[in-house]
Amino acid sequence: RKEVEQDPGPFNVPEGATVAFNCTYSNSASQSFFWYRQDCRKEPKLLMSVYSSGNEDGRFTAQLNRASQYISLLIRDSKLSDSATYLCVVESSNYKLTFGKGTLLTVNP
Amino acid sequence: AAGVIQSPRHLIKEKRETATLKCYPIPRHDTVYWYQQGPGQDPQFLISFYEKMQSDKGSIPDRFSAQQFSDYHSELNMSSLELGDSALYFCASSLGETQYFGPGTRLLVL
Repeated sequence: RKEVEQDPGPFNVPEGATVAFNCTYSNSASQSFFWYRQDCRKEPKLLMSVYSSGNEDGRFTAQLNRASQYISLLIRDSKLSDSATYLCVVESSNYKLTFGKGTLLTVNP
Repeated sequence: AAGVIQSPRHLIKEKRETATLKCYPIPRHDTVYWYQQGPGQDPQFLISFYEKMQSDKGSIPDRFSAQQFSDYHSELNMSSLELGDSALYFCASSLGETQYFGPGTRLLVL
């Protein structure tokens, strides 16, 4: 079983839609959690960290459930510029990052 | 703001050749990480350095080695290149928890 599992996607949604990404991780000792976005042939860029209390940044909301080892990302009012691959990322000891396979999102006009 | 710098951005090599990839972290960042991303794959952790000492090792082949220098830049040395080494190689740096990625070096082995 892969350490970090994500929705396989791809997701195709119209502008203005709400889209949710889900992710589970297997290592209960994992310490920190992130969502990164990656545009085609570019580097991963940090979208947001994920905390147990949940956190929101504009149209983006992230949630962490440590008990069920589950992470989510909600994008509201999606824009064309949100089209990218969304990577669920888990950080273990020594700050090593383990990535999910990513979910490709395409927002259509 | 200064970002992570990687060079070269693109590299073409033949099988069995060697390659050296360079990474210049964000100023004052003390930790450098190397990741390999094959076509259609997620980034895989290779190796990391903290204050010039290796801090963790992932799925890095024995043919590869890396080090971090006194100015904190890092180099990934790859020998006896194979076709399967063709990938995007990212360097990331951090001061604490959040890692910031460089633009990557795209290596093509022919």
